[in-house]
Amino acid sequence: EPEVTQTPSHQVTQMGQEVILRCVPISNHLYFYWYRQILGQKVEFLVSFYNNEISEKSEIFDDQFSVERPDGSNFTLKIRSTKLEDSAMYFCASSERSSTDTQYFGPGTRLTVL
Amino acid sequence: KNQVEQSPQSLIILEGKNCTLQCNYTVSPFSNLRWYKQDTGRGPVSLTIMTFSENTKSNGRYTATLDADTKQSSLHITASQLSDSASYICVVSAYTSGTYKYIFGTGTRLKVLA
Repeated sequence: EPEVTQTPSHQVTQMGQEVILRCVPISNHLYFYWYRQILGQKVEFLVSFYNNEISEKSEIFDDQFSVERPDGSNFTLKIRSTKLEDSAMYFCASSERSSTDTQYFGPGTRLTVL
Repeated sequence: KNQVEQSPQSLIILEGKNCTLQCNYTVSPFSNLRWYKQDTGRGPVSLTIMTFSENTKSNGRYTATLDADTKQSSLHITASQLSDSASYICVVSAYTSGTYKYIFGTGTRLKVLA
């Protein structure tokens, strides 16, 4: 069964450094999402992406964040200058035809900012 | 303010028993309501999606109900199994000005004991 994959599974970085989290959505899916979950807290929506542009973004998704689909398969989340409070699990998800379809989540990347 | 409240926070049941989890929301304008299962350290897995006009939807042993008038939903698990031990998350989508917002509940942590 097709699945969303994410790399790396765990990323440790120093405060102020740039990180890029990578996701490979399910191949025929058109909508892509990033979410984050701070340890012990609820999942929060960051951004959705369709047709090579951002569809929606939350208040969390400020200028420190950017997303890109650099080729036909990868979908990336870049954090320009990481802060301690960026430490969280970051989930990528994709859906087939619209944002009301079932979203399939990847296993997540645990980001630790020291 | 858009909010999703889930109860109980945690629940322990014996294998084979049924249980019902609750979700109350104040999200407006309502688009759809989703239930997810999230195993510890993993990405959420979609169980059901319901729109305004749907009162009930089943997925195997999981049955979700929606009362859009009272803004309440429930997730009923029948004949629980040890593998049902997980967090169950209610997510309500609002659609306004051409964009979606995804509001997550804090989840109910279910533990099924042998």
